[in-house]
Amino acid sequence: GAVVSQHPSWVICKSGTSVKIECRSLDFQATTMFWYRQFPKQSLMLMATSNEGSKATYEQGVEKDKFLINHASLTLSTLTVTSAHPEDSSFYICSPLGIYNEQFFGPGTRLTVL
Amino acid sequence: GEDVEQSLFLSVREGDSSVINCTYTDSSSTYLYWYKQEPGAGLQLLTYIFSNMDMKQDQRLTVLLNKKDKHLSLRIADTQTGDSAIYFCAERGATSGTYKYIFGTGTRLKVLA
Repeated sequence: GAVVSQHPSWVICKSGTSVKIECRSLDFQATTMFWYRQFPKQSLMLMATSNEGSKATYEQGVEKDKFLINHASLTLSTLTVTSAHPEDSSFYICSPLGIYNEQFFGPGTRLTVL
Repeated sequence: GEDVEQSLFLSVREGDSSVINCTYTDSSSTYLYWYKQEPGAGLQLLTYIFSNMDMKQDQRLTVLLNKKDKHLSLRIADTQTGDSAIYFCAERGATSGTYKYIFGTGTRLKVLA
């Protein structure tokens, strides 16, 4: 099956700092990448959809200037949480779209903002 | 809008069958999925069913789809303690051509030894 990695898997940062999360599809190329956020004991909420080489499309209520998405290559996408605050603490999961439009999921990155 | 609902908790004894239910609202859904999430981990695809099917069996897993009622269920036979996890159903339509997945609220399955 498809292999998706995320780095880091766990990060703690101080309020006001920025954190970059990397998502790599290791054995396939993904034109489309989805980024999800999951708060404790809740479901996955789609934050944004990005296509390689294009600007991301953000879901309603997600600030595009706060959650910067870069999808510069077919195997790497990054999500940067800028000026993080405690309410941004969450589990962030990337999901690249396979060539048959199936979604694969990364293992997730747990962000804790102090 | 699109909405996917699940019951929040289910507790069963080891060896019994578990049935996790899901209802959805998007009639254009083409695929429906079941994912398993263990604590602190990402999502693991368990199985999926195409919308023109009404049943799919894969070893201990049986998926039933009632398209008329927009109801999906996952039956786990001979449930084991290792099946304890959160189970998410998800639908995928073709809304705006984005193939966006909509996830259910998740059902936390607890298997008692």
